[in-house]
Amino acid sequence: AQTVTQSQPEMSVQEAETVTLSCTYDTSESDYYLFWYKQPPSRQMILVIRQEAYKQQNATENRFSVNFQKAAKSFSLKISDSQLGDAAMYFCAYLPEDSNYQLIWGAGTKLIIKP
Amino acid sequence: ETGVTQSPTHLIKTRGQQVTLRCSSQSGHNTVSWYQQALGQGPQFIFQYYREEENGRGNFPPRFSGLQFPNYSSELNVNALELDDSALYLCASSRDGHGYTFGSGTRLTVV
Repeated sequence: AQTVTQSQPEMSVQEAETVTLSCTYDTSESDYYLFWYKQPPSRQMILVIRQEAYKQQNATENRFSVNFQKAAKSFSLKISDSQLGDAAMYFCAYLPEDSNYQLIWGAGTKLIIKP
Repeated sequence: ETGVTQSPTHLIKTRGQQVTLRCSSQSGHNTVSWYQQALGQGPQFIFQYYREEENGRGNFPPRFSGLQFPNYSSELNVNALELDDSALYLCASSRDGHGYTFGSGTRLTVV
């Protein structure tokens, strides 16, 4: 069965510093997508960044970047220049290519930003 | 462009009752997915509707059912509520499965 593991229940970082959130996944598929979502107290899941497995280049979105290691099945999120508004739950999610779009989620990491 | 709207935002029901949750898709989206997120956990896929037909289902019993309407809005129905059904229910819409937009969810409490 495909699974997603986030081993850090909680992380904290000083404002303006860099933090990395970890995610590993288990799959036998070769084509899939990986996502990081942010869930603030408003509860809405907000897409942070997306990675296609066939792309070797790591995705970046402004202050957010990923380190995608396909062989190791690892997909970490780096947040640079952390801001107070980054405080939220962060979820890693996996989407198989032929899944009928069923996202498989990790348990989440709570990110605390210290002013 | 409107986002995904879910109603109600909060709901309290008694064990054994039935509940209907509603979701309005983002404009231009024809696919709706429903997820259950228990407290402190990641979401679990319930099912997905594409053009009014269910085209994917997770490991949920038949008392979880749904509908998608011609305007692509959707309902999630849960019969014979159990205490473990207490959770945040998230709806997400997309166009042909690409680029999900999530609503803010309905918090269901079963007592």
